[in-house]
Amino acid sequence: DGGITQSPKYLFRKEGQNVTLSCEQNLNHDAMYWYRQDPGQGLRLIYYSQIVNDFQKGDIAEGYSVSREKKESFPLTVTSAQKNPTAFYLCASSSQGVGGYTFGSGTRLTVV
Amino acid sequence: AQSVSQHNHHVILSEAASLELGCNYSYGGTVNLFWYVQYPGQHLQLLLKYFSGDPLVKGIKGFEAEFIKSKFSFNLRKPSVQWSDTAEYFCALAGSGNTGKLIFGQGTTLQVKP
Repeated sequence: DGGITQSPKYLFRKEGQNVTLSCEQNLNHDAMYWYRQDPGQGLRLIYYSQIVNDFQKGDIAEGYSVSREKKESFPLTVTSAQKNPTAFYLCASSSQGVGGYTFGSGTRLTVV
Repeated sequence: AQSVSQHNHHVILSEAASLELGCNYSYGGTVNLFWYVQYPGQHLQLLLKYFSGDPLVKGIKGFEAEFIKSKFSFNLRKPSVQWSDTAEYFCALAGSGNTGKLIFGQGTTLQVKP
């Protein structure tokens, strides 16, 4: 089945540690996105990538980093510079020009 | 700047009641609009989308939305809700520049009482 796989589903980290969230898709989609979901704030865009080896900052990129070395993979690193990292993180992909996303099941990150 | 606003943050209805969730957007150009649903413990799923043409768009599970350009609105409707419609609903606007970015509203939590 084609889709997006995010792992792990739950992640706990100590304050000050960097952590990397995985996102893999087998849909052959060109574009991939990372969103952060917080209660009452909807989904806010962190980073996006339209092609391999290229990515752009979204609205809340500070404290995060990404890479896009392969079309299928778009990992997100939450660094110690992110002031409030505890959140639900969603990865999505889309085929250029079509519109609408396919979402992963998300990773809930808790920093203690 | 582009933005999406959902005015109802938490809606509680009884089964068989009619539903209308508000969505207003701010954008000066041609819009692509979407409604997504997130059932408890599940992925975000596309309910329906508007690109052009008939402003009344029908989606899955009996949902529909009407694009009213003069009001910058894209409200979601369903004539008779079911308990299984309990979920969080997000309105979204496709960004400019053909980046494919979606700008989401704050979300509306719908609770349907049996």
